[in-house]
Amino acid sequence: ETGVTQSPTHLIKTRGQQVTLRCSSQSGHNTVSWYQQALGQGPQFIFQYYREEENGRGNFPPRFSGLQFPNYSSELNVNALELDDSALYLCASSSPGQSYNEQFFGPGTRLTVL
Amino acid sequence: AQSVTQLGSHVSVSEGALVLLRCNYSSSVPPYLFWYVQYPNQGLQLLLKYTSAATLVKGINGFEAEFKKSETSFHLTKPSAHMSDAAEYFCAVTSNFGNEKLTFGTGTRLTIIP
Repeated sequence: ETGVTQSPTHLIKTRGQQVTLRCSSQSGHNTVSWYQQALGQGPQFIFQYYREEENGRGNFPPRFSGLQFPNYSSELNVNALELDDSALYLCASSSPGQSYNEQFFGPGTRLTVL
Repeated sequence: AQSVTQLGSHVSVSEGALVLLRCNYSSSVPPYLFWYVQYPNQGLQLLLKYTSAATLVKGINGFEAEFKKSETSFHLTKPSAHMSDAAEYFCAVTSNFGNEKLTFGTGTRLTIIP
């Protein structure tokens, strides 16, 4: 069974640029959630995708957007990057068929905005 | 709305001593509670979860936690600390309504003194 994978591992961008982060969900999981973890903080929920539709969103501006594909992999897009967007971005997959919301996390993408 | 508070951003214990990491939650609905561990430059790994069954939950690596509704607490313990336990620990809460987002605490960094 393949776990959650994310790419790239690290990324450096400059302010104002756009970035796309990718996530492959664990086999059998149809739900992907994205979290932002700033340095020294706990992860913050960005949004969740279920069967290719956004299914909940946290307190993040519209320049944070996402996609989910038919194979349940997902992308996180961030436009007009700001310095405060520097963080570890975590992807987690889960399956609503479970009786509880156990989310399986990937290793994350470290984004640095200069 | 749901939230968790982790008391103590840094905890140091001697190798072989008791580990106690504190987590208090706030939730207007019955909660599901989780403890995750994060090693440097890695994603989150689930240690244990409370999903309304037994109030004393045993997890991996010898950790356990007890759900106390009257105290709104879910503290993490381990009888004897090992050097490999040094990491960041996060408490998280979600509702039992389905595939909901996780709300994390700010984390506790555990240092083990040889």
